[in-house]
Amino acid sequence: KAGVTQTPRYLIKTRGQQVTLSCSPISGHRSVSWYQQTPGQGLQFLFEYFSETQRNKGNFPGRFSGRQFSNSRSEMNVSTLELGDSALYLCASGRSSTDTYNEQFFGPGTRLTVL
Amino acid sequence: AQSVAQPEDQVNVAEGNPLTVKCTYSVSGNPYLFWYVQYPNRGLQFLLKYITGDNLVKGSYGFEAEFNKSQTSFHLKKPSALVSDSALYFCAVRDPDYGQNFVFGPGTRLSVLP
Repeated sequence: KAGVTQTPRYLIKTRGQQVTLSCSPISGHRSVSWYQQTPGQGLQFLFEYFSETQRNKGNFPGRFSGRQFSNSRSEMNVSTLELGDSALYLCASGRSSTDTYNEQFFGPGTRLTVL
Repeated sequence: AQSVAQPEDQVNVAEGNPLTVKCTYSVSGNPYLFWYVQYPNRGLQFLLKYITGDNLVKGSYGFEAEFNKSQTSFHLKKPSALVSDSALYFCAVRDPDYGQNFVFGPGTRLSVLP
């Protein structure tokens, strides 16, 4: 069974631009969560999607948004990029939104650098 | 509010020696606790979890963890460390009352010296 895939793996943008990251969960998984990892703040939860609906949201500004498609693939968008948005963005795949007993499976991440 | 602490930024251990990576947590209800490992330029890999039952849980690659409710701890252990265990380790808690997302600790970098 294929794992979680994220594209692109690396991205370089300049301040003020916007960026879209993509995540394909494990086949059959319908929950997708996004996390931001930085050296200073560690791993922080961005949002979770299940069945095309945002189920939970972390404490990030509105510049960070996401969506999920009917095939469970998810995208996250960051508008008006700031230097502080440079981070590794991780996507995690889960069976369902209420399956709190089981682990999530993480993709390799997208490394975003904002210049 | 949920929180996870990993009091050590760095743990160094000699190959073949036992290792412990510490984790303490704070949640309002019953905790669901997880350990993940991250190798350079990789995502997080699941090691083990505690949901309920036996306080000693066994996971991947010979790792185990002990849940201690009175001390609100969930320390990761391995009887004999390998150089290949060198990585960044994250403890995470999930409180079902707050959804499925994890709250992660800051991470502990484990270095196993040959």
